[in-house]
Amino acid sequence: DIVMTQSPDSLAVSLGERATINCKSSQSVLYNSNNKNYLAWYQQKPGQPPKLLIYWASTRESGVPDRFSGSGSGTDFTLTITSLQAEDVAVYHCQQYYNSPRTFGQGTKLEIK
Amino acid sequence: QVQLVESGGGVVQPGRSLRLSCAASGFTFSNYGMHWVRQAPGQGLEWVAVMWYGGTDKEKYADSVKGRFTISRDNSKNTLYLQMNSLRADDTAVYYCTRELELEAYGMDVWGQGTTVTVSS
Repeated sequence: DIVMTQSPDSLAVSLGERATINCKSSQSVLYNSNNKNYLAWYQQKPGQPPKLLIYWASTRESGVPDRFSGSGSGTDFTLTITSLQAEDVAVYHCQQYYNSPRTFGQGTKLEIK
Repeated sequence: QVQLVESGGGVVQPGRSLRLSCAASGFTFSNYGMHWVRQAPGQGLEWVAVMWYGGTDKEKYADSVKGRFTISRDNSKNTLYLQMNSLRADDTAVYYCTRELELEAYGMDVWGQGTTVTVSS
């Protein structure tokens, strides 16, 4: 199974500042045939189900604000939130869909400083 | 609109069974693989099982539930099921139903609100 490891486990950032969350996979999730990274990011607010934010490591889902961006390739990925807003307080999860079983990172809790 | 609605959760004693359902609407059910993902209290997301519509390897399970849980789908009713037998305390979680496009996956783009399963004596 591909192990997904996120860092940090929790993060406190001031409003308007940048938040950066990292995700590392135990093996590459890059398909050479189409040059796509099979990596997604989800946002989960308290009491709500996860919401898909980013797929293919860097493609924003429809309706997701452009302050959210994803980057990385192979085994190392980053979710960046520029200019943090109060409504961004949530737990963020990365997930690989390169193979089965689908696996998630342990989650990163983002709070306001 | 596109929607997934889970039901069937509750409080059950260890060793007993429970069947979860997930009613899908607003999209072509047969175009999607359907997953169950769970989240124990205060914990992260754990993938449980998937059932694909096409292909030869249609069902897959997490090792933690293999042999105890069975996933199935009724495509005529646009409904996904999870039969959970021999339940244990560590199966206590919110169970989410979610979908993944089968021919070109791009993550799990729609999730239900979840149904809570509590295993306790």
